[in-house]
Amino acid sequence: DTEVTQTPKHLVMGMTNKKSLKCEQHMGHRAMYWYKQKAKKPPELMFVYSYEKLSINESVPSRFSPECPNSSLLNLHLHALQPEDSALYLCASSQTTGYSYNSPLHFGNGTRLTVT
Amino acid sequence: GDSVTQMEGPVTLSEEAFLTINCTYTATGYPSLFWYVQYPGEGLQLLLKATKADDKGSNKGFEATYRKETTSFHLEKGSVQVSDSAVYFCALSDSSNTGKLIFGQGTTLQVKP
Repeated sequence: DTEVTQTPKHLVMGMTNKKSLKCEQHMGHRAMYWYKQKAKKPPELMFVYSYEKLSINESVPSRFSPECPNSSLLNLHLHALQPEDSALYLCASSQTTGYSYNSPLHFGNGTRLTVT
Repeated sequence: GDSVTQMEGPVTLSEEAFLTINCTYTATGYPSLFWYVQYPGEGLQLLLKATKADDKGSNKGFEATYRKETTSFHLEKGSVQVSDSAVYFCALSDSSNTGKLIFGQGTTLQVKP
């Protein structure tokens, strides 16, 4: 069982809807990440939070809005998405962003998003 | 910039065959190297890692050695099982301490009984 829990597992939304993806970890990790993965492609980094502060935004469109309410939770708020945003959205966590050799990423199983 | 190149798949093997998936990288500094595995319908799981030259990572019968002179981190397993069928990603984490992973394109492995 994964130690990073993502909900929902599947989400279908229209282009005018507002929805949120949720991620939770209880490993005491202080870094959390959102990745987007299209079919048969590697994950693409979207956002990194370090100690609950946004440290990296990979030029993601503003229709994706991340939020880190506390060190265990990470949300991704979605609004006015496009069909091409349909993908698997993966959350990950690590002890810290630094000392990466000692702090590999732990991934959740993802939310499969379909935008109609 | 930093990059990772993996052999293209899919790789199809019979059960108990020997597996090699090639991975080479380009990086400045001293990256850490990882292999992640993604089973159908799941997220990525860390398979093994190596943090410096000549380190060998190993887990579940899989091995990979960090070769600085050839900038490679090839994944090997002596005898694959049907349950090893998955997508394998080679990745590097650079020395900038941003937490950012750079992934290869992934290699699909199919093992037939």
